[in-house]
Amino acid sequence: NAGVTQTPKFQVLKTGQSMTLQCAQDMNHNSMYWYRQDPGMGLRLIYYSASEGTTDKGEVPNGYNVSRLNKREFSLRLESAAPSQTSVYFCASSGRTGGDEKLFFGSGTQLSVL
Amino acid sequence: RKEVEQDPGPFNVPEGATVAFNCTYSNSASQSFFWYRQDCRKEPKLLMSVYSSGNEDGRFTAQLNRASQYISLLIRDSKLSDSATYLCVVNRRGSQGNLIFGKGTKLSVKP
Repeated sequence: NAGVTQTPKFQVLKTGQSMTLQCAQDMNHNSMYWYRQDPGMGLRLIYYSASEGTTDKGEVPNGYNVSRLNKREFSLRLESAAPSQTSVYFCASSGRTGGDEKLFFGSGTQLSVL
Repeated sequence: RKEVEQDPGPFNVPEGATVAFNCTYSNSASQSFFWYRQDCRKEPKLLMSVYSSGNEDGRFTAQLNRASQYISLLIRDSKLSDSATYLCVVNRRGSQGNLIFGKGTKLSVKP
């Protein structure tokens, strides 16, 4: 049982390049999320998907697109990377255990945009 | 006022000490509350949920005061392995995806 798997772990891009961060979960969760974490800013929600086929903007969606390919997979795309998108990105999924909706995170992607 | 605020930290304590973290939230519609732990350069992991009646898990005790919109985490008999950043997380009522994270409080337990 791998939980939440995201790739790649590290990536360096040049300004203007594009890339897709991949995320998959094997816990049969309906909800999936993409967060970014910057020093002094805490975790901020980029996009989330409450169920297969739906996506919604979070707090900081500009510059990103997402695809909920199926129940397992939720990808994040940067069409034209900017230095301001240098950050650590976490994918997460949530499921109800013990009465609470709990988040489970992937191990993160450290992205640098030069 | 920020939606979720935590003690600024860092907290530097000796092994065996008792340490308490506080967190306040501004949205009275908030429904669920959690403490997450994040080790350096790792993903956050759920430490414990916080219930109205207060709850305990070994050396960890969490409390919620809805009237004051205040959450706390108490760690007794601190271990070196408790060194991490502790994140307060609040779930807004009826808002899917709206888990709001505090910026975290860093704890360093020293020998």
